[in-house]
Formats: sequence, C-alpha cells, structure tokens
Amino acid sequence: QVRLLQSGVEVKRPGASVRVSCKASGYTFTTFGVDWVRLAPGQGLEWMGWVSPSSSSPIYTQKFQGRLTLTSDTSTSTAYLELRSLTSDDTAIYYCARDYFSDGFLWGPDYWGQGTLVTVSS
Amino acid sequence: QSVLTQPPSVSAAPGQKVTISCSGSSSNIGNNYVSWYQQFPGTAPQLVIFENNRRPSGIPDRFSGSKSGTSATLGITGLQTGDEADYYCGAWDSSLRTYVFGTGTKVTVL
Repeated sequence: QVRLLQSGVEVKRPGASVRVSCKASGYTFTTFGVDWVRLAPGQGLEWMGWVSPSSSSPIYTQKFQGRLTLTSDTSTSTAYLELRSLTSDDTAIYYCARDYFSDGFLWGPDYWGQGTLVTVSS
Repeated sequence: QSVLTQPPSVSAAPGQKVTISCSGSSSNIGNNYVSWYQQFPGTAPQLVIFENNRRPSGIPDRFSGSKSGTSATLGITGLQTGDEADYYCGAWDSSLRTYVFGTGTKVTVL
C-alpha cells in the first residue's frame, strides 16, 4: 500500500533552518511528485509547494519564495523540505502528500504522510 | 488569505444531511478539478472526494461531491458522530499556478 513516512519532531530557534524528510513506498516514485502542506495552530491547511521526482522545476507559493527549497532523491524515494530563517509563525505540523502533475496542473494530493511537528521557540 | 471560501462551521443531528460549500473563481474551481479532505484533530488529512465527484476506495457513498460554475459542494448524508471533523476543499489555481485550499469547515453532529 502507498505510504509516506516523515521524519520526527523538530525544535528550532528563531533564525535557524529545518529539514524534513518524506520517504515514499508502495508506488512508483518517479510517476508522482510530492506536495508540502502545513497546518499552523488555529489555522487551516496551507499549500507550500510541489516537487517533481527529479527535483526539476519545483513549484513554490509566493509566500515562501526565497526561503523554501524542495528536493527529491529518486535513489531513496525520499522528498525533502528545507525552510530557512524560521520565525515563531512557522510553528506548525508539516505534511508531505503524493500528487500528480499533468496537462499543466496538479491533480490534488491523495496520500498523505503522518505529519512532522516543527516548533520554533527561543 | 485563501482564495477558496468555506463556511466556518455546519451542524446537524445524527442521521441528517449536511452540505459544505466552497466558493472560488474561474481560475480555480471554474476550470479545474476539486478535491475534498477530511481531517480529524491530530491526524493527517484524508482524501474523500477527487475530480469533483469521485470517491476513493473505502470512502462510503454517504459522501458526495458536486460542482457548478465557480462553486463546489460536499454532501454528507446519514450523519454519524464519527463524521465530526474539519473538511477542506482544494483545487489548482491556473492564474497563481499553485494549489489552493479552502478556509476549512468544522462539522458538528448535534
């Protein structure tokens, strides 16, 4: 079955960077890309970006341009999120999700990882 | 600020029906597929409707989706206490060239 297994809890200081991993199994990794979505306390789901299996031409939402890097490693079927210059507003649960890009659009996430809590605090 | 608008909450008695609206524009709902997600506190979202009105395997037929123009609707019939959760719509936005989620709706079973 399709599984996305994320790395564990992270606690960071303001100004630091965080890297979250997402290891996929149960499907052909090179067929689908990976979305990254976050859920901050008291907020709704926020789509951050998408990375293809080959890491070419990632899509970022404008809010995170310059601070977010999404990559993918086909040799280990793992996607990565790196977010820099963290502030307390980045405290959230970060989810990866499988998604398919075709015909010029994303079809929408279907299978999701379990989430990774990132806490930013001094 | 989400580009897809949902009511903050809806409620109904067990066995009744609820509908959740998702209002967008021609750049998202009007010309792209809509998905719906169910999220219980402390767990990851789960896909319940894709391509406007299709249900993934394992999702009961009490859940239905529809789309008209720039709005979409999720319906839940035969409401159960286990349906209490947050629900989000989502769609590709062709102008922003990003995926967008709705503001989210909390379903309460009275």
